Amino acid sequence: DGGITQSPKYLFRKEGQNVTLSCEQNLNHDAMYWYRQDPGQGLRLIYYSQIVNDFQKGDIAEGYSVSREKKESFPLTVTSAQKNPTAFYLCASSMSGRLETQYFGPGTRLLVL
Amino acid sequence: QQQVKQSPQSLIVQKGGISIINCAYENTAFDYFPWYQQFPGKGPALLIAIRPDVSEKKEGRFTISFNKSAKQFSLHIMDSQPGDSATYFCAAINAGGTSYGKLTFGQGTILTVHP
Repeated sequence: DGGITQSPKYLFRKEGQNVTLSCEQNLNHDAMYWYRQDPGQGLRLIYYSQIVNDFQKGDIAEGYSVSREKKESFPLTVTSAQKNPTAFYLCASSMSGRLETQYFGPGTRLLVL
Repeated sequence: QQQVKQSPQSLIVQKGGISIINCAYENTAFDYFPWYQQFPGKGPALLIAIRPDVSEKKEGRFTISFNKSAKQFSLHIMDSQPGDSATYFCAAINAGGTSYGKLTFGQGTILTVHP
């Protein structure tokens, strides 16, 4: 089955802790994205990557970091600098040349203890 | 300039009725307008999309109407069913610009269809 997987489904973070959210795709897509979803605010872009070893900040990159060492993987680290991390995090991917058509994973819900 | 404003925030319709969700944008460089459907606890799924060279696109019970001069577009769900109950997001992108790949989303509409 082709698709996007995110893990874990739920993640709990303690104060001052860094946590990493996993995103893997087997769609052979070049571009990958991380969005944050809060109630009533739609989806906001955190980071995106159009090719391996390259990524750009989105609208709300502060307190987050990413890496893109493999085409299939785009992990997101929520650092201790992100003061309000509780949200639903969504990973997406799209084909090169069709970046406007983005496919989303099932999401990870991050909660602060 | 980059905002997409979506209304209403929530919508309740009866089974068989028509659901209408509206979006307005400011950036005239946007040239691709998708709609996403999201069920609770799941990721959004692409439902239907339109480019500004057409005024309407229909796929089954779902229709997008596009008014380029007013910078508005809307989703119509005909014969609404309880299974359509979900959150709907409009979005916009400048597919040919330097920010290619960056979707701007509306705030979302929670649709409830009563049986």
